[in-house]
Amino acid sequence: GAVVSQHPSRVICKSGTSVKIECRSLDFQATTMFWYRQFPKQSLMLMATSNEGSKATYEQGVEKDKFLINHASLTLSTLTVTSAHPEDSSFYICSARVSTEAFFGQGTRLTVV
Amino acid sequence: QKEVEQNSGPLSVPEGAIASLNCTYSDRGSQSFFWYRQYSGKSPELIMSIYSNGDKEDGRFTAQLNKASQYVSLLIRDSQPSDSATYLCAVTPYNQGGKLIFGQGTELSVKP
Repeated sequence: GAVVSQHPSRVICKSGTSVKIECRSLDFQATTMFWYRQFPKQSLMLMATSNEGSKATYEQGVEKDKFLINHASLTLSTLTVTSAHPEDSSFYICSARVSTEAFFGQGTRLTVV
Repeated sequence: QKEVEQNSGPLSVPEGAIASLNCTYSDRGSQSFFWYRQYSGKSPELIMSIYSNGDKEDGRFTAQLNKASQYVSLLIRDSQPSDSATYLCAVTPYNQGGKLIFGQGTELSVKP
């Protein structure tokens, strides 16, 4: 299957700082990528759809100025959590689709202290 | 009403038994249906995909889809302790850019 690589796998940052998470499609081109967030014992919640060369589409309730998404190439999308706070601590996962199937990155465990 | 609903469990079955996981969805126009397995701290991995009514079998796994009832299920035969994980049902709603909507997941525990 297709490979989606996500980095870093784990990051701890201080409150008020920004964190960038990268998502790469290694063996295919992804015009669209999806960003999810998962809190403990909860399901994956779609945050936004990242479109190559255009603005991301955010789900209702997700602050676009706080969660900056850039999809500058067909193989790379980035999510930047700006001015992170402890409540942003979560598991962030990116995904890309090949035909009808979705492939996920390894996830990033963000802890804001 | 949630778009995709699952029983959160936990569901406990003895080793060798059949585990039955259920999912309902609200968008009648949904096109694609998936079951993912997620181990704690890991990202989801695809177990089964199903697109048309009926059954689809792959090894010990069988997915069942009934679009009229808006119902998807996953059967795991000869359950093994290594099957213990959270199983996520996911649906692609009609005309929403291919995004996946997940259910809350069912935690499965297979007891030796």
